[in-house]
Amino acid sequence: AQSVTQLGSHVSVSEGALVLLRCNYSSSVPPYLFWYVQYPNQGLQLLLKYTSAATLVKGINGFEAEFKKSETSFHLTKPSAHMSDAAEYFCAVRTHGNNRLAFGKGNQVVVIP
Amino acid sequence: DVKVTQSSRYLVKRTGEKVFLECVQDMDHENMFWYRQDPGLGLRLIYFSYDVKMKEKGDIPEGYSVSREKKERFSLILESASTNQTSMYLCASSLAPPVGELFFGEGSRLTVL
Repeated sequence: AQSVTQLGSHVSVSEGALVLLRCNYSSSVPPYLFWYVQYPNQGLQLLLKYTSAATLVKGINGFEAEFKKSETSFHLTKPSAHMSDAAEYFCAVRTHGNNRLAFGKGNQVVVIP
Repeated sequence: DVKVTQSSRYLVKRTGEKVFLECVQDMDHENMFWYRQDPGLGLRLIYFSYDVKMKEKGDIPEGYSVSREKKERFSLILESASTNQTSMYLCASSLAPPVGELFFGEGSRLTVL
Protein backbone atom coordinates (compact mmCIF):
# COMPACT_ATOMS: atom_id res chain seq x y z
CA ALA A 1 0.00 0.00 0.00
CA GLN A 2 1.10 3.54 -0.62
CA SER A 3 0.33 6.55 1.55
CA VAL A 4 1.51 10.10 2.13
CA THR A 5 1.78 12.18 5.29
CA GLN A 6 1.86 15.96 5.26
CA LEU A 7 1.96 17.51 8.72
CA GLY A 8 0.51 20.89 9.55
CA SER A 9 -2.57 21.76 7.52
CA HIS A 10 -1.76 25.50 7.67
CA VAL A 11 1.73 26.92 7.27
CA SER A 12 2.52 30.61 7.71
CA VAL A 13 5.71 32.05 6.28
CA SER A 14 7.01 35.60 6.07
CA GLU A 15 7.65 37.11 2.67
CA GLY A 16 11.30 36.48 1.79
CA ALA A 17 11.67 33.60 4.26
CA LEU A 18 12.31 29.93 3.50
CA VAL A 19 9.33 27.82 2.55
CA LEU A 20 9.59 24.23 3.83
CA LEU A 21 6.76 21.73 3.39
CA ARG A 22 7.33 18.22 4.65
CA CYS A 23 6.20 15.05 2.94
CA ASN A 24 6.77 11.49 4.09
CA TYR A 25 5.60 8.50 2.14
CA SER A 26 4.98 4.87 2.79
CA SER A 27 5.73 2.49 -0.04
CA SER A 28 7.07 -1.03 -0.26
CA VAL A 29 8.69 -0.40 -3.63
CA PRO A 30 10.55 2.57 -5.11
CA PRO A 31 8.03 5.30 -5.71
CA TYR A 32 7.34 8.10 -8.11
CA LEU A 33 6.73 11.30 -6.14
CA PHE A 34 4.96 14.52 -7.03
CA TRP A 35 4.21 17.94 -5.62
CA TYR A 36 1.15 19.81 -6.86
CA VAL A 37 -0.02 23.37 -6.17
CA GLN A 38 -3.60 24.61 -6.13
CA TYR A 39 -4.40 28.31 -6.34
CA PRO A 40 -7.83 29.48 -5.13
CA ASN A 41 -10.74 28.21 -7.23
CA GLN A 42 -8.47 26.34 -9.62
CA GLY A 43 -7.43 22.75 -10.27
CA LEU A 44 -4.09 21.26 -9.27
CA GLN A 45 -0.94 22.08 -11.22
CA LEU A 46 2.22 19.98 -11.22
CA LEU A 47 5.14 21.70 -9.45
CA LEU A 48 7.71 18.93 -9.83
CA LYS A 49 8.16 15.16 -9.92
CA TYR A 50 10.73 12.56 -8.89
CA THR A 51 11.12 9.63 -11.27
CA SER A 52 14.27 7.85 -9.97
CA ALA A 53 16.76 10.07 -11.78
CA ALA A 54 18.39 12.90 -9.79
CA THR A 55 17.41 12.99 -6.13
CA LEU A 56 17.24 16.80 -6.12
CA VAL A 57 14.41 17.88 -8.36
CA LYS A 58 13.83 21.43 -9.53
CA GLY A 59 10.35 22.59 -10.40
CA ILE A 60 8.50 25.67 -11.48
CA ASN A 61 8.36 29.00 -9.62
CA GLY A 62 11.69 28.40 -7.84
CA PHE A 63 10.58 25.31 -5.89
CA GLU A 64 12.69 22.21 -5.44
CA ALA A 65 12.42 18.93 -3.55
CA GLU A 66 14.88 16.31 -2.42
CA PHE A 67 14.17 12.58 -2.40
CA LYS A 68 15.71 10.86 0.64
CA LYS A 69 15.14 7.14 0.53
CA SER A 70 16.55 6.49 4.01
CA GLU A 71 14.07 8.96 5.49
CA THR A 72 11.20 8.11 3.07
CA SER A 73 10.82 11.84 2.54
CA PHE A 74 10.30 14.28 -0.31
CA HIS A 75 10.26 17.72 1.30
CA LEU A 76 9.49 20.81 -0.79
CA THR A 77 11.50 24.01 -0.38
CA LYS A 78 11.78 27.51 -1.80
CA PRO A 79 14.52 29.82 -0.53
CA SER A 80 12.48 33.01 -0.51
CA ALA A 81 8.68 33.14 -0.25
CA HIS A 82 6.71 35.46 -2.48
CA MET A 83 3.16 36.65 -1.95
CA SER A 84 2.15 34.72 -5.05
CA ASP A 85 3.17 31.45 -3.33
CA ALA A 86 0.03 31.59 -1.18
CA ALA A 87 -1.79 28.41 -2.21
CA GLU A 88 -2.45 24.83 -1.16
CA TYR A 89 0.28 22.27 -1.78
CA PHE A 90 -0.20 18.53 -2.13
CA CYS A 91 2.35 15.74 -2.08
CA ALA A 92 1.49 12.52 -3.94
CA VAL A 93 3.05 9.09 -4.48
CA ARG A 94 2.60 6.43 -7.10
CA THR A 95 4.30 3.06 -7.12
CA HIS A 96 5.49 1.36 -10.27
CA GLY A 97 2.70 -0.22 -12.28
CA ASN A 98 0.00 1.41 -10.17
CA ASN A 99 -2.51 3.63 -11.96
CA ARG A 100 -3.48 5.51 -8.83
CA LEU A 101 -1.81 8.34 -6.97
CA ALA A 102 -2.11 8.61 -3.21
CA PHE A 103 -2.36 12.23 -2.05
CA GLY A 104 -1.50 13.84 1.25
CA LYS A 105 -4.09 16.06 2.92
CA GLY A 106 -2.35 19.22 1.78
CA ASN A 107 -0.68 22.29 3.30
CA GLN A 108 -2.37 25.68 3.05
CA VAL A 109 0.46 28.21 2.80
CA VAL A 110 -0.13 31.78 3.96
CA VAL A 111 2.52 34.38 3.13
CA ILE A 112 2.77 37.24 5.60
CA PRO A 113 3.94 40.60 4.21
CA ASP B 1 -0.24 21.61 -23.47
CA VAL B 2 -2.61 19.09 -22.02
CA LYS B 3 -6.03 20.49 -21.46
CA VAL B 4 -8.63 18.93 -19.21
CA THR B 5 -11.96 20.69 -19.46
CA GLN B 6 -14.78 20.33 -16.97
CA SER B 7 -18.12 21.43 -18.35
CA SER B 8 -19.40 23.38 -15.36
CA ARG B 9 -17.43 25.43 -12.85
CA TYR B 10 -20.37 26.01 -10.50
CA LEU B 11 -23.62 24.08 -10.13
CA VAL B 12 -26.50 24.34 -7.71
CA LYS B 13 -28.86 21.36 -7.55
CA ARG B 14 -31.67 20.18 -5.33
CA THR B 15 -31.73 17.02 -3.24
CA GLY B 16 -32.83 14.06 -5.32
CA GLU B 17 -31.86 15.54 -8.68
CA LYS B 18 -29.70 13.60 -11.12
CA VAL B 19 -26.43 15.40 -11.75
CA PHE B 20 -23.97 14.95 -14.62
CA LEU B 21 -20.43 16.28 -14.43
CA GLU B 22 -18.59 16.11 -17.72
CA CYS B 23 -14.85 16.03 -18.34
CA VAL B 24 -12.96 16.07 -21.64
CA GLN B 25 -9.21 15.77 -22.23
CA ASP B 26 -7.41 16.49 -25.48
CA MET B 27 -4.15 14.54 -25.15
CA ASP B 28 -5.22 10.97 -25.85
CA HIS B 29 -4.57 9.89 -22.27
CA GLU B 30 -5.53 6.35 -21.31
CA ASN B 31 -6.39 7.09 -17.69
CA MET B 32 -9.05 9.41 -16.34
CA PHE B 33 -10.02 10.07 -12.74
CA TRP B 34 -12.71 11.73 -10.64
CA TYR B 35 -11.82 13.11 -7.21
CA ARG B 36 -13.74 15.07 -4.66
CA GLN B 37 -11.99 17.64 -2.50
CA ASP B 38 -13.23 18.71 0.92
CA PRO B 39 -11.51 20.91 3.51
CA GLY B 40 -9.29 18.90 5.83
CA LEU B 41 -9.81 15.68 3.86
CA GLY B 42 -7.65 16.39 0.82
CA LEU B 43 -8.41 14.63 -2.44
CA ARG B 44 -10.38 11.41 -2.36
CA LEU B 45 -10.67 9.18 -5.41
CA ILE B 46 -14.23 8.37 -6.48
CA TYR B 47 -13.70 6.38 -9.67
CA PHE B 48 -11.12 5.99 -12.36
CA SER B 49 -10.97 4.54 -15.84
CA TYR B 50 -7.95 3.08 -17.63
CA ASP B 51 -9.65 2.47 -20.97
CA VAL B 52 -12.88 3.08 -22.83
CA LYS B 53 -15.81 1.37 -21.11
CA MET B 54 -13.51 0.28 -18.26
CA LYS B 55 -13.89 1.65 -14.75
CA GLU B 56 -12.69 0.90 -11.26
CA LYS B 57 -13.99 2.05 -7.92
CA GLY B 58 -11.86 4.38 -5.93
CA ASP B 59 -12.02 5.01 -2.20
CA ILE B 60 -15.49 6.61 -2.01
CA PRO B 61 -17.67 5.31 -4.89
CA GLU B 62 -20.95 5.13 -2.96
CA GLY B 63 -23.61 7.38 -4.44
CA TYR B 64 -21.73 7.89 -7.71
CA SER B 65 -21.41 6.20 -11.08
CA VAL B 66 -19.30 6.96 -14.14
CA SER B 67 -19.39 6.56 -17.87
CA ARG B 68 -16.60 6.43 -20.41
CA GLU B 69 -17.97 5.84 -23.89
CA LYS B 70 -15.14 7.66 -25.67
CA LYS B 71 -11.48 7.88 -24.77
CA GLU B 72 -11.50 11.64 -24.31
CA ARG B 73 -14.63 11.91 -22.18
CA PHE B 74 -15.30 10.75 -18.61
CA SER B 75 -18.58 11.57 -16.92
CA LEU B 76 -19.45 11.47 -13.23
CA ILE B 77 -23.10 10.83 -12.38
CA LEU B 78 -24.89 11.46 -9.12
CA GLU B 79 -28.06 9.42 -9.49
CA SER B 80 -29.87 11.18 -6.64
CA ALA B 81 -27.94 14.10 -5.24
CA SER B 82 -27.75 14.54 -1.48
CA THR B 83 -26.52 17.44 0.64
CA ASN B 84 -23.44 15.50 1.73
CA GLN B 85 -22.33 15.47 -1.90
CA THR B 86 -21.80 19.21 -1.80
CA SER B 87 -18.13 19.47 -2.69
CA MET B 88 -15.49 20.42 -5.22
CA TYR B 89 -15.14 17.76 -7.92
CA LEU B 90 -11.88 17.46 -9.83
CA CYS B 91 -11.30 15.52 -13.02
CA ALA B 92 -7.81 14.43 -14.07
CA SER B 93 -6.15 12.46 -16.83
CA SER B 94 -2.79 10.76 -17.26
CA LEU B 95 -0.78 8.54 -19.51
CA ALA B 96 -0.36 4.94 -18.43
CA PRO B 97 2.39 4.17 -15.90
CA PRO B 98 5.31 4.21 -15.23
CA VAL B 99 5.37 7.90 -14.42
CA GLY B 100 1.94 9.13 -15.42
CA GLU B 101 1.54 12.40 -13.60
CA LEU B 102 -2.01 13.69 -13.42
CA PHE B 103 -3.28 16.70 -15.34
CA PHE B 104 -6.26 18.34 -13.66
CA GLY B 105 -9.24 20.32 -14.80
CA GLU B 106 -10.26 23.51 -13.00
CA GLY B 107 -12.87 21.81 -10.89
CA SER B 108 -16.65 21.84 -10.57
CA ARG B 109 -18.06 23.22 -7.36
CA LEU B 110 -21.37 21.50 -6.65
CA THR B 111 -23.85 22.72 -4.07
CA VAL B 112 -26.81 20.48 -3.24
CA LEU B 113 -29.65 22.21 -1.44
